[in-house]
Amino acid sequence: AQSVAQPEDQVNVAEGNPLTVKCTYSVSGNPYLFWYVQYPNRGLQFLLKYITGDNLVKGSYGFEAEFNKSQTSFHLKKPSALVSDSALYFCAVGYRDDKIIFGKGTRLHILP
Amino acid sequence: EADIYQTPRYLVIGTGKKITLECSQTMGHDKMYWYQQDPGMELHLIHYSYGVNSTEKGDLSSESTVSRIRTEHFPLTLESARPSHTSQYLCASTGGSYEQYFGPGTRLTVT
Repeated sequence: AQSVAQPEDQVNVAEGNPLTVKCTYSVSGNPYLFWYVQYPNRGLQFLLKYITGDNLVKGSYGFEAEFNKSQTSFHLKKPSALVSDSALYFCAVGYRDDKIIFGKGTRLHILP
Repeated sequence: EADIYQTPRYLVIGTGKKITLECSQTMGHDKMYWYQQDPGMELHLIHYSYGVNSTEKGDLSSESTVSRIRTEHFPLTLESARPSHTSQYLCASTGGSYEQYFGPGTRLTVT
């Protein structure tokens, strides 16, 4: 069965420092992996995806994620955090018929 | 910004009322989805559609119903609202590039 785990409920990072939000997955077959961000009282906004190809994928707002097949991970990263990056981040895995399973979300706090 | 719209954005309604949450997209996407999300929590798929006259129930049981008469329109209806239906409802669509695009959501409160 497809599943995705975000082991951290909350991550705190000082502004200007690098950030990592962790995600691991379990899929049968080749994974389709996504990161979304949600700001308060808003829908989810697509950040980036891995379908095939280069393991390092770049997305919106300077975010990137690295697909690691051996560790079944897809961690979200950014070299230098901004206060405006503070939001709720969801990792997701795609499965049959274009459906997506979402992780529980990680709340990212960037401290000024 | 994806062209997917939801109305109303906020709705407070009494128990027993019938409500319809609207979702429209202008991208011509065949596949559309409804999710339920409690504030700050994970999303649960409650309905999806792969095209006109196609609707399926999702992984989370829901008392709501949906219809898909036109490609761009995917409304969700609750025949008799209850306090347990209080939540945020998110609509999404995809056009075959794998990622889903989300509307801004409707925050429903049933009193």
